[in-house]
Amino acid sequence: DADVTQTPRNRITKTGKRIMLECSQTKGHDRMYWYRQDPGLGLRLIYYSFDVKDINKGEISDGYSVSRQAQAKFSLSLESAIPNQTALYFCATSDSSNIQYFGAGTRLSVL
Amino acid sequence: GDSVTQMEGPVTLSEEAFLTINCTYTATGYPSLFWYVQYPGEGLQLLLKATKADDKGSNKGFEATYRKETTSFHLEKGSVQVSDSAVYFCALGLPGTYKYIFGTGTRLKVLA
Repeated sequence: DADVTQTPRNRITKTGKRIMLECSQTKGHDRMYWYRQDPGLGLRLIYYSFDVKDINKGEISDGYSVSRQAQAKFSLSLESAIPNQTALYFCATSDSSNIQYFGAGTRLSVL
Repeated sequence: GDSVTQMEGPVTLSEEAFLTINCTYTATGYPSLFWYVQYPGEGLQLLLKATKADDKGSNKGFEATYRKETTSFHLEKGSVQVSDSAVYFCALGLPGTYKYIFGTGTRLKVLA
């Protein structure tokens, strides 16, 4: 089983819909992250959380929200999806040696 | 501000060729430096890291040396294989923050 699991792996939705991407981890790490990947832009940080009560905005948080339900779970929501949120989304955790561990990604298409 | 610049791809090589992917960075303080690899359909995974100047990270035949004087962390491999075909990301860890900045990625294609 993967250490960092993202669901769903693929999602197609319509403009204006609310959707949630979920992430769970079995690594026991406190730090969790959400990134989006776009061609030519690399990975950009959306939100990050250093523990259940500590949530912070990244460089591109507008249009997104997150929930840290437990140490192991960190969900990303798009309140009202728009086409330019079409991207590949990654959840990651990090340990005390600064290494990041990534999920397999969620490919989201907003029509 | 802090940033990472890596060479644009795609890079296409024949099997057993020498590989260099350039990465330079701008950062205050002393960041940690990383190379991550992304195989098709998968998430990123750590390839190697270096935490201080002159450190050399190595793994699976890949190497990179933390050069503070040139603010670089170039990835090299002496003889690439078809199985090395992937996207490679250079990244820096901002000191004291547990936040990371990624480069735009370089796609490598190795032909048999």
